[in-house]
Amino acid sequence: EAGVTQSPTHLIKTRGQQATLRCSPISGHTSVYWYQQALGLGLQFLLWYDEGEERNRGNFPPRFSGRQFPNYSSELNVNALELEDSALYLCASSSGQSYGQPQHFGDGTRLSIL
Amino acid sequence: DQQVKQNSPSLSVQEGRISILNCDYTNSMFDYFLWYKKYPAEGPTFLISISSIKDKNEDGRFTVFLNKSAKHLSLHIVPSQPGDSAVYFCAASAGAKAAGNKLTFGGGTRVLVKP
Repeated sequence: EAGVTQSPTHLIKTRGQQATLRCSPISGHTSVYWYQQALGLGLQFLLWYDEGEERNRGNFPPRFSGRQFPNYSSELNVNALELEDSALYLCASSSGQSYGQPQHFGDGTRLSIL
Repeated sequence: DQQVKQNSPSLSVQEGRISILNCDYTNSMFDYFLWYKKYPAEGPTFLISISSIKDKNEDGRFTVFLNKSAKHLSLHIVPSQPGDSAVYFCAASAGAKAAGNKLTFGGGTRVLVKP
């Protein structure tokens, strides 16, 4: 069974540009989560999508947005990039069908802002 | 505020001995707890979880203990193996549909298992 896949592995942008990160969940999983791991800050929850809808949002500005497609894959978009957006962005998926299902993570996209 | 804390940034243990990792939390709404292992350049890998209705869950070499009154959980790895050398994260979530909610992570504990 394929795990959570993320692309690209690395992304280099300059300040003010936009970045798009992609995630494919484990087959059968309907929930997709995005997390940011910035240097020295640990893993911070960004967004949760389930059945195509945004269900929860972390403490991040509106320039962080995303969507979930009918096949449950997801995109994270970051507009007006700032230097502090440099981080590892992790996507996770879970089955939303029942209580207590763990989230499974991809290997992340490392976003570097020059 | 840090709602989930792992106060030991690192742990060194001899191969074959027990590794004990600790995690404290402050939010009494947390009802589902997980441990993840992370190797460099890889995403976190799910290890084991426990819901607040239990005080112990075991899976092979891994056992998680939950003390709700102390808001404390621990992960025991017995016996420790060199392949267990990684960073371990404790995570927690709140809500009846805990899987569909955000995870709050601790800062991680780096474990080194010496041959």
